[in-house]
Amino acid sequence: GAVVSQHPSWVICKSGTSVKIECRSLDFQATTMFWYRQFPKQSLMLMATSNEGSKATYEQGVEKDKFLINHASLTLSTLTVTSAHPEDSSFYICSGSLAGDVLFQYFGPGTRLTVT
Amino acid sequence: EDKVVQSPLSLVVHEGDTVTLNCSYEVTNFRSLLWYKQEKKAPTFLFMLTSSGIEKKSGRLSSILDKKELFSILNITATQTGDSAIYLCAVGNDYKLSFGAGTTVTVRA
Repeated sequence: GAVVSQHPSWVICKSGTSVKIECRSLDFQATTMFWYRQFPKQSLMLMATSNEGSKATYEQGVEKDKFLINHASLTLSTLTVTSAHPEDSSFYICSGSLAGDVLFQYFGPGTRLTVT
Repeated sequence: EDKVVQSPLSLVVHEGDTVTLNCSYEVTNFRSLLWYKQEKKAPTFLFMLTSSGIEKKSGRLSSILDKKELFSILNITATQTGDSAIYLCAVGNDYKLSFGAGTTVTVRA
């Protein structure tokens, strides 16, 4: 149980375009979802925390107008990278949490974004 | 600012060896320390440690937490090539998990 999927698993887009990444909890209701990014050989950096039906809380240094997060239902959160640039190329991982407890996060398989 | 430091950053061992991975932390309102294994994709959960001095074991893996000295170790005995991965340490408070940079373990046959 507690499976999280992400779509797409990888995406290539051109500079200046926007790309949307979906994160779904398949067999549980995730009241809270987290979005991370991971650069090669570096750790997961939390970008934002989103609770269903409310605005996401962004970590310091993360541009909320660039990384739009929507958590419209208890099983779906989306991250839209707007006006993507090559420096946005990274591995994006989401996680879902039952009952909003940060200690119990179930991670998705990640999305590799390459901006050309 | 919360800080999680893992060492070493990487190591190479031969099958059958034992490895010890270290994680030290400075986190406000500490709740638990977690270990994950990451093989190219999403991290998979290994252990959650909340109390000091109580060893947790799962097969050839074990881990322990020292809340006084603010560190944890993860041991892998009789390593196998399937243990090759990045091992991540994360520390949680009420708001988030803070991750270390990870230790890349390579097990050679």
